[in-house]
Amino acid sequence: EAGVAQSPRYKIIEKRQSVAFWCNPISGHATLYWYQQILGQGPKLLIQFQNNGVVDDSQLPKDRFSAERLKGVDSTLKIQPAKLEDSAVYLCASSFSGGAGYGYTFGSGTRLTVV
Amino acid sequence: QKEVEQNSGPLSVPEGAIASLNCTYSDRGSQSFFWYRQYSGKSPELIMSIYSNGDKEDGRFTAQLNKASQYVSLLIRDSQPSDSATYLCAVNTRLLNAGNNRKLIWGLGTSLAVNP
Repeated sequence: EAGVAQSPRYKIIEKRQSVAFWCNPISGHATLYWYQQILGQGPKLLIQFQNNGVVDDSQLPKDRFSAERLKGVDSTLKIQPAKLEDSAVYLCASSFSGGAGYGYTFGSGTRLTVV
Repeated sequence: QKEVEQNSGPLSVPEGAIASLNCTYSDRGSQSFFWYRQYSGKSPELIMSIYSNGDKEDGRFTAQLNKASQYVSLLIRDSQPSDSATYLCAVNTRLLNAGNNRKLIWGLGTSLAVNP
């Protein structure tokens, strides 16, 4: 099966600019996750979608971050305006279900550098 | 106490040895436990999942779960230099999100170096 697709792979922007990331999950996976991983740390969940509905966005900085999954398939994550501390790898993952027993498949990630 | 704890390492073992990676968790109601491997500059990759007490073997990897003691471990037999990576432990806890799904809590990872 095809994996989780993400683009772009790398992005460098200046602070206060905006940026958007795209993710296409594995076909048939109802649950999609966006994670932020800062160097040397574990992944931090930003937002979880079940089909096209949000089920967890408790750690999403909503004043600057937004995400959507309008048709329940691919998703975009946006940052506006970016801050220096947003420099990280943004990982998209998908799973068959959001339930307890399923591991995730991650995309290759987008490495964001804010200067 | 952090919800999922791992020693950051680095854990250094010689090639051919057994590498032992440990993870403790705080929520006694946790049901699912996962080990992910992350090479430098790459995304995490699921290598083992375990749901019941005891051992689960897959090739050179063995996951061990002890719910009474609240720890899960990963053993890598015959360690190879290609096993050098960060190993992340993830636990599905009783914390529920708005969709009534259990939240997956991640450890910070243990860095493993296998020396030839």
